[in-house]
Amino acid sequence: DAKTTQPNSMESNEEEPVHLPCNHSTISGTDYIHWYRQLPSQGPEYVIHGLTSNVNNRMASLAIAEDRKSSTLILHRATLRDAAVYYCILRVPRNNNDMRFGAGTRLTVKP
Amino acid sequence: DAMVIQNPRYQVTQFGKPVTLSCSQTLNHNVMYWYQQKSSQAPKLLFHYYDKDFNNEADTPDNFQSRRPNTSFCFLDIRSPGLGDAAMYLCATSIRRQGGANVLTFGAGSRLTVL
Repeated sequence: DAKTTQPNSMESNEEEPVHLPCNHSTISGTDYIHWYRQLPSQGPEYVIHGLTSNVNNRMASLAIAEDRKSSTLILHRATLRDAAVYYCILRVPRNNNDMRFGAGTRLTVKP
Repeated sequence: DAMVIQNPRYQVTQFGKPVTLSCSQTLNHNVMYWYQQKSSQAPKLLFHYYDKDFNNEADTPDNFQSRRPNTSFCFLDIRSPGLGDAAMYLCATSIRRQGGANVLTFGAGSRLTVL
């Protein structure tokens, strides 16, 4: 199965950009790259997803490497409310669309 | 206007006493998932339904069962809870389309305590 690798934790200062990396070297051509985050005591929430091209939405940007073996979630200006665990997940159509979470990156935002 | 609703939010049960957790959705999504999340760990997929088709993860214990009587509702039954089953149980939904992205929408979770 295609797997993702993320750093266990990262720190950022408030109001500064944050780049959260994810490696997925075994990704195949039809696998979507999803990012979710989980705030304390809440269920995960969708952040962004992409296939090949870079993507932007109101929450974040997703930069996908040309070979698709890695991606980076970009929070343009971190706020204290962005402190959460961020999960990079591959949606693998050939595996019946199962969505399996990796360990994620715990982001701490310092005031 | 919550879209994926889990009940109860908190459930306390005794060792071995069956528990049922429920999930309802107003999104008309055709896929419903159950995840188990233990403290400081990532969510672990237990099983999911695509319409009425049930898909069990290979390592999900037999103690965990699920029912989906209609599109809107899905239940997680834990037949004989052990201390190791204490966790947050998360329900999620998505709409499965050919070639689509299948974005997940999660409920707030049900936290199970086993005494």
